Amino acid sequence: DTAVSQTPKYLVTQMGNDKSIKCEQNLGHDTMYWYKQDSKKFLKIMFSYNNKELIINETVPNRFSPKSPDKAHLNLHINSLELGDSAVYFCASSQIAGGLYEQFFGPGTRLTVL
Amino acid sequence: KNQVEQSPQSLIILEGKNCTLQCNYTVSPFSNLRWYKQDTGRGPVSLTIMTFSENTKSNGRYTATLDADTKQSSLHITASQLSDSASYICVVTEGVMIYNQGGKLIFGQGTELSVKP
Repeated sequence: DTAVSQTPKYLVTQMGNDKSIKCEQNLGHDTMYWYKQDSKKFLKIMFSYNNKELIINETVPNRFSPKSPDKAHLNLHINSLELGDSAVYFCASSQIAGGLYEQFFGPGTRLTVL
Repeated sequence: KNQVEQSPQSLIILEGKNCTLQCNYTVSPFSNLRWYKQDTGRGPVSLTIMTFSENTKSNGRYTATLDADTKQSSLHITASQLSDSASYICVVTEGVMIYNQGGKLIFGQGTELSVKP
């Protein structure tokens, strides 16, 4: 069984379009995250939700809007896509935010904006 | 500024050899340090996690060390295998609690390890 799953795995789109990436975890975790991994391979946190409540928002442009319909899902909607949004986006989950609790990552979604 | 720096950026070794990857951090306050393995096209997978009081932790052929005084960590891989080819990422958790929960994770840029037959 896949612990953290994301769809789609690849996303190629034109500048200016709106797109969504979906994430689901079946681990029963309370906290979910979105990370962006740029071309230099740095992973940077974008958002964190705990039990459907936003707890971290790392000054991400408001074109990015996370939505958590329930604690097992955290979707990422991106409006008016720009070239600089091209990256790999990872969803992750943990029992509790940070601390000693391990974060489990999804397989990533490679977004290419043309 | 809280940062995590890793060296070398990339490393090529022969199968069966050992290697050591380095991590220096300036994150303060410190909560814990983790090493992740990221295979190409996959998400990171946790190898070890160490708190302030732990000097070393092993996971199979992987051994991580932590010197909290010098703010350095290393990951030693013994008897490397082809499947060890991956990016190894050092991650430090800030000791600042968020909403009474754990701190934020600060990621290094990773060391790209290639094991050749």
